[in-house]
Amino acid sequence: EAGVAQSPRYKIIEKRQSVAFWCNPISGHATLYWYQQILGQGPKLLIQFQNNGVVDDSQLPKDRFSAERLKGVDSTLKIQPAKLEDSAVYLCASSSRLAGAADTQYFGPGTRLTVL
Amino acid sequence: AQSVTQLDSQVPVFEEAPVELRCNYSSSVSVYLFWYVQYPNQGLQLLLKYLSGSTLVKGINGFEAEFNKSQTSFHLRKPSVHISDTAEYFCAVISDSNYQLIWGAGTKLIIKP
Repeated sequence: EAGVAQSPRYKIIEKRQSVAFWCNPISGHATLYWYQQILGQGPKLLIQFQNNGVVDDSQLPKDRFSAERLKGVDSTLKIQPAKLEDSAVYLCASSSRLAGAADTQYFGPGTRLTVL
Repeated sequence: AQSVTQLDSQVPVFEEAPVELRCNYSSSVSVYLFWYVQYPNQGLQLLLKYLSGSTLVKGINGFEAEFNKSQTSFHLRKPSVHISDTAEYFCAVISDSNYQLIWGAGTKLIIKP
């Protein structure tokens, strides 16, 4: 079974530029998560999708971050414009159960973003 | 609010020695616990999980963890570490309210040759 795919693996941009990350979850997984992991910290949930609907985006900085999962499969996270403090690893995860149930999350390799 | 505490930010240990990484969680109605490992420049990989049943859980790469309800702990152990175990280890619990993961701050395991 193929794992969670993410691209790109690394991205370097200047502040005020825009950037987009892509995630393809494990086939058949209904729930998809985007996390931000700052160096030395645990992951912080940005947004959770169930199929193509948003379950929780309470910690997403909506003035600059946006995410979509239009067909309920792959997802894109965008930052526009980027700030220095957005430098982090962006992790995508998926799980098979619907939101509201305890289940294992499977993670992709992450995208390391550096904002100069 | 629920929380997870990983008591050590770094644990140095000699190769082939045993190791214990500590994790405590705040009490909750239902307890689902996880340990993930993050190798350098990689994503998070599930090591093991406790959902129910036996309190001793065996995971990949020779790791095991014991769920202790009275002490609200879920410590991770390995009897003999290898240089390839160098990584950061994260403990997490599923929230009662929304079933999202609540993460500890992580423990870096440093293997000394």
